[in-house]
Amino acid sequence: QQQVKQSPQSLIVQKGGISIINCAYENTAFDYFPWYQQFPGKGPALLIAIRPDVSEKKEGRFTISFNKSAKQFSLHIMDSQPGDSATYFCAASRGLTGGGNKLTFGTGTQLKVEL
Amino acid sequence: EPEVTQTPSHQVTQMGQEVILRCVPISNHLYFYWYRQILGQKVEFLVSFYNNEISEKSEIFDDQFSVERPDGSNFTLKIRSTKLEDSAMYFCASTWETNEKLFFGSGTQLSVL
Repeated sequence: QQQVKQSPQSLIVQKGGISIINCAYENTAFDYFPWYQQFPGKGPALLIAIRPDVSEKKEGRFTISFNKSAKQFSLHIMDSQPGDSATYFCAASRGLTGGGNKLTFGTGTQLKVEL
Repeated sequence: EPEVTQTPSHQVTQMGQEVILRCVPISNHLYFYWYRQILGQKVEFLVSFYNNEISEKSEIFDDQFSVERPDGSNFTLKIRSTKLEDSAMYFCASTWETNEKLFFGSGTQLSVL
């Protein structure tokens, strides 16, 4: 029940295209859903996060869509650039009700943006 | 932007040896964490630390593991008797408030031979 399932495992997108990564969770106690970006040799860095009181959050080219009833959330990267090539992890935690920052991570998606 | 600093970046040790991984969290942060990532796998929570005590730990964090904040700036993870399966990238993380953005260090790659 603690799992966060992420797909696809890898993704190749043309420059300027839209990258879409999906995650699903089981634990209804989760109420904080961040996305992390990780470059080789570096730690994960917070990209964008959402709480379940909204269905969408946008920051620049990055958008999270959240479907509480389906227990799914996704990351959309608009106008994908070669510099976006990295591994992306979704995560979830019981941020508001305790256990904050005990993140349960998805398995990661390796994104490659080709010219 | 302030950074979480981890040393060493790589550590090689023999099975059964003790290792200490060191972290300097961001200076005004109060909540500290260790996560690990086995090669090619997801990042996993190990332990959280606040007010000089463990707040929560995972099933991975058994009696071989311990954490300490020996002074006002360092945060350490000790593995008492390393096993082959402890080989992983260990990430330290910190934040100023439990529900806020988590800052990760660049990690220590631990190799147990």
